[in-house]
Amino acid sequence: AQTVTQSQPEMSVQEAETVTLSCTYDTSESDYYLFWYKQPPSRQMILVIRQEAYKQQNATENRFSVNFQKAAKSFSLKISDSQLGDAAMYFCAYKWYGQNFVFGPGTRLSVLP
Amino acid sequence: GAGVSQTPSNKVTEKGKYVELRCDPISGHTALYWYRQSLGQGPEFLIYFQGTGAADDSGLPNDRFFAVRPEGSVSTLKIQRTERGDSAVYLCASSYQTGSSYNEQFFGPGTRLTVL
Repeated sequence: AQTVTQSQPEMSVQEAETVTLSCTYDTSESDYYLFWYKQPPSRQMILVIRQEAYKQQNATENRFSVNFQKAAKSFSLKISDSQLGDAAMYFCAYKWYGQNFVFGPGTRLSVLP
Repeated sequence: GAGVSQTPSNKVTEKGKYVELRCDPISGHTALYWYRQSLGQGPEFLIYFQGTGAADDSGLPNDRFFAVRPEGSVSTLKIQRTERGDSAVYLCASSYQTGSSYNEQFFGPGTRLTVL
């Protein structure tokens, strides 16, 4: 069974600084998708960024980028120029084609003014 | 256009009671998912529908949990004889289709269920 691990229950970053959230996963599949979701106190899960496993190039969305290491099964999220609005729970998730998401336990990110 | 909506936003019930949680997916989305999120944890898959049928219900914890989607749009998650351990946020998500290609799942705001 696929599992997703996030080893950092909580992280904090100073406003305008850079922070990296860690994620590792376990799978025997070769083609799959990886995601980072943000969940603010409103509970709405918001897609931050996604990565197709067959693509070697790391995905980037504005201030958000990933470091995808397929052999190591590692998928970290880097947030640059952190803003107060980035404070939230961040979930790493795995998906294999038509199957459901498998989420990690989450990392709570605090942004300090 | 409207996103995924869930009602009620909060539900408080007593142990042993029956509850129904409703999900209205984005119009035209054929796939619908239910997840349960306990405090301090990530969402946990319960069941997903492709159209009217449950394509995968392997995440339902026991036979007290049941979900329907009779017309392939709105879905209802039903919990019988609620227990305190059922207290959680129940999230619904929908996507255009599922299958061999990726389709983004759009999540609703969830229903917070509290069983006293």
